Amino acid sequence: EAAVTQSPRSKVAVTGGKVTLSCHQTNNHDYMYWYRQDTGHGLRLIHYSYVADSTEKGDIPDGYKASRPSQENFSLILELASLSQTAVYFCASRDNSAETLYFGSGTRLTVL
Amino acid sequence: AQSVTQPDARVTVSEGASLQLRCKYSYSATPYLFWYVQYPRQGLQLLLKYYSGDPVVQGVNSFEAEFSKSNSSFHLQKASVHWSDSAVYFCALSRGYGSSGNKLIFGIGTLLSVKP
Repeated sequence: EAAVTQSPRSKVAVTGGKVTLSCHQTNNHDYMYWYRQDTGHGLRLIHYSYVADSTEKGDIPDGYKASRPSQENFSLILELASLSQTAVYFCASRDNSAETLYFGSGTRLTVL
Repeated sequence: AQSVTQPDARVTVSEGASLQLRCKYSYSATPYLFWYVQYPRQGLQLLLKYYSGDPVVQGVNSFEAEFSKSNSSFHLQKASVHWSDSAVYFCALSRGYGSSGNKLIFGIGTLLSVKP
């Protein structure tokens, strides 16, 4: 079965600090995505990647960077965390022959 | 602009009752539509998807959805709900099939509570 693992499960960060969220997939999928979930907004796409060492901007990339050092790993980086970035973050993967996304369990980020 | 609207933020039904969760979309091209479910403290899981053909699609756990181009809708239905169906349900639309990355637009979700 497809597996996407996110770490940490939850994190508390201070405003202005650097935060890195990690995602690891064992599906051998090409595509990986980072979404954030906010009450009243559903899920919104931050960044995605279809190959190692390359990332693309999603719908709300401002304030976020992404890194895809290998096919298995995809990180989301908040260089200067802000209060507005408090949310639940989901990573997902998808192979390029199917349309199903496989999601991780999410990371709950609280910025104080 | 593309969008997905789930007009009901919260739905409560009794166990054994029928269910319909509503989804309306706005998209100029042929839509690829999905329903995902999120159980507590878990990621989203695919329930069903529609690309073309028969407008009624079957999904896991006896869920089905009906696509209507004239109404721009993709409502989710189940004949008899169980307490374990309590979860948040998301309708989603794909903007970029295949090589464009399948960038999904999600609705805000509908929280389903099933009363025993």
